[in-house]
Amino acid sequence: EVQLVQSGPEVKKPGESLKISCKGSGYSFTSYWIAWVRQMPGKGLEWMGIICPGDSDTRYSPSFQGQVTISADKSISTAYLQWSSLKASDTAMYYCARHKNYDILTPMDVWGKGTTVTVSS
Amino acid sequence: DIVMTQSPDSLAVSLGERATINCKSSQSVLYSSNNKNYLAWYQQKPGQPPKLLIYWASTRESGVPDRFSGSGSGTDFTLTISSLQAEDVAVYYCQQYYSIPPVTFGPGTKVDIK
Repeated sequence: EVQLVQSGPEVKKPGESLKISCKGSGYSFTSYWIAWVRQMPGKGLEWMGIICPGDSDTRYSPSFQGQVTISADKSISTAYLQWSSLKASDTAMYYCARHKNYDILTPMDVWGKGTTVTVSS
Repeated sequence: DIVMTQSPDSLAVSLGERATINCKSSQSVLYSSNNKNYLAWYQQKPGQPPKLLIYWASTRESGVPDRFSGSGSGTDFTLTISSLQAEDVAVYYCQQYYSIPPVTFGPGTKVDIK
């Protein structure tokens, strides 16, 4: 079964750092782009950026460039989303999702269940 | 960035009736070289991740019931649920993948039972 398994919920304080993960299984992890999508409480979907785990080619939405870092470790089939200094406004659900094939210009067909990040003093 | 808009914001439809959601992009998402519209539809039920329903504007994802259909081209698209079922209560999003980065989503349309 093709699946993306995300790390568990996080509760952090403003200014702290955080790295959440997304482990792929059941397919060739290096052959498909992985995206990260934010959903703030009660709001819609925002695409943050994307990585090709095979060569770590990474693209960011202008809205998130410089705010987060996307990376991957192909040896363990895992993608990451990290923050160096969290803000309360980073409180959201974060999903990883696989693009449908090796082409970046494709929809996202497999989604993780999401990681809840809560930032509060 | 390509801006996606949806209408209506929400709608309530009786069981067995048709539900229609519209999506508009700020520029064409039709690639003339392959005549494909780079437009997808997702369904998100409460507490769940989004689920891909339709891509290339009108191709149903494997396992999606045939009561879901997509149409349109260029900048104007429609998702139709031909006979609403109770399990179709959800928020529906359109998304363009013509120009990356960034992928952009519409604001969502909430579908309820009347």
